[in-house]
Amino acid sequence: DQQVKQNSPSLSVQEGRISILNCDYTNSMFDYFLWYKKYPAEGPTFLISISSIKDKNEDGRFTVFLNKSAKHLSLHIVPSQPGDSAVYFCAASKLPGTASKLTFGTGTRLQVTL
Amino acid sequence: DSGVTQTPKHLITATGQRVTLRCSPRSGDLSVYWYQQSLDQGLQFLIQYYNGEERAKGNILERFSAQQFPDLHSELNLSSLELGDSALYFCASSPRTSVVAKNIQYFGAGTRLSVL
Repeated sequence: DQQVKQNSPSLSVQEGRISILNCDYTNSMFDYFLWYKKYPAEGPTFLISISSIKDKNEDGRFTVFLNKSAKHLSLHIVPSQPGDSAVYFCAASKLPGTASKLTFGTGTRLQVTL
Repeated sequence: DSGVTQTPKHLITATGQRVTLRCSPRSGDLSVYWYQQSLDQGLQFLIQYYNGEERAKGNILERFSAQQFPDLHSELNLSSLELGDSALYFCASSPRTSVVAKNIQYFGAGTRLSVL
């Protein structure tokens, strides 16, 4: 049962344009959502997060939007740069007393072209 | 550099064998998590330890076991290996205090296991 879904395995965007990566979830118990970026031969690197009490969180070129009623979140990257080319994973967790496990999507491979 | 160290980076072994993967968390982090990533899949949670105690279990096979030692490093033991166990195994750690909305896990570079 895939509780976190990233339905687009890949995305190609021109440098300078906006990249939009999407993620859907089914478990209404999830309270906290994260995006990780992964380069080949490296571990996932934390990018940005959002809690369920917010609908938007921004950090520089990266913005995450959360639509709880639709159980949907998206990551916007503006402007896209060649160094953003990587696999992006959406992850979700239940807010903890102590940190709890992350449930990951299958990832979207972003390629930013010149 | 996340501060999480995993060894070895690569491991090639045969079916039926047993291997041990090692993880050193970031300094001060009490929680350690293990994840498995098979080809073109997302990361699947295996098990979590917090300050030496098992805290949560995911879809971890009975052939797999883990522990966290007093110095907080962790080991994942995989036994009776099968071809399907070939995957990337990631370790992650998280901060000592879990302030609300700060459930960030920091990942090591992973161990690539190939079972031949």
